[in-house]
Amino acid sequence: EVQLVESGGGLVKPGGSLRLSCAASGFTFNSAWMHWVRQAPGKGLEWVGRITTKIDGETTEYAAPVKGRFTISRDDSKNTLYLQMSSLKTEDTAVYYCTTDGGGRSGEFAYWGQGILVTVSS
Amino acid sequence: DIQMTQSPSTLSASVGDRVTITCRASQSISSWLAWYQQKPGKAPKLLLHKASTLESGVPSRFSGSGSGTEFTLTISSLQPDDFATYYCQSYTSYNTFGQGTKLEIK
Repeated sequence: EVQLVESGGGLVKPGGSLRLSCAASGFTFNSAWMHWVRQAPGKGLEWVGRITTKIDGETTEYAAPVKGRFTISRDDSKNTLYLQMSSLKTEDTAVYYCTTDGGGRSGEFAYWGQGILVTVSS
Repeated sequence: DIQMTQSPSTLSASVGDRVTITCRASQSISSWLAWYQQKPGKAPKLLLHKASTLESGVPSRFSGSGSGTEFTLTISSLQPDDFATYYCQSYTSYNTFGQGTKLEIK
């Protein structure tokens, strides 16, 4: 069974930093492109960014609102995905989900974590 | 970047109704279109991918169609469990979600 478990969320002041983790199991993590998606309170889903596999160069892409402030990385030895968030703004307040197609599919987000809340407030 | 526009934003319907949600892409995405269902406090759930392929375990009352820039999600006979918010998503080089359609009980 595929499991994605996010951790590291919480309350942070504007301008601060936070690192989220996503522990993966039940699929071949090193073969899967991994993504972060967020959802502000009462709002829709917003793609944050993604990282490819080592074979594909571990390349990253980010949505415009987070580019230059957020960094996605992965540790295949620990089956863990990370989201390093810096220069946080109040508008970054959201539930953050890690998600993936699990590898071997076409990119649709078949598997999701339960989500973790990040609140940016003074 | 590709923009995805869903309509309507809110839809009121009754159990047993047939409902259709539309999603338009600002440029062609071939069939790289997915539909998700989300209930309050829960992660989204994949319903369909490649525009019309039903995800394993999803009831057959859900169906999808379209290609290029115009897509539809149809629920043939609404069940109580179907009242939720639905999102379309393009998953080409860009990963963009529509703004969502909230399906409410009439």
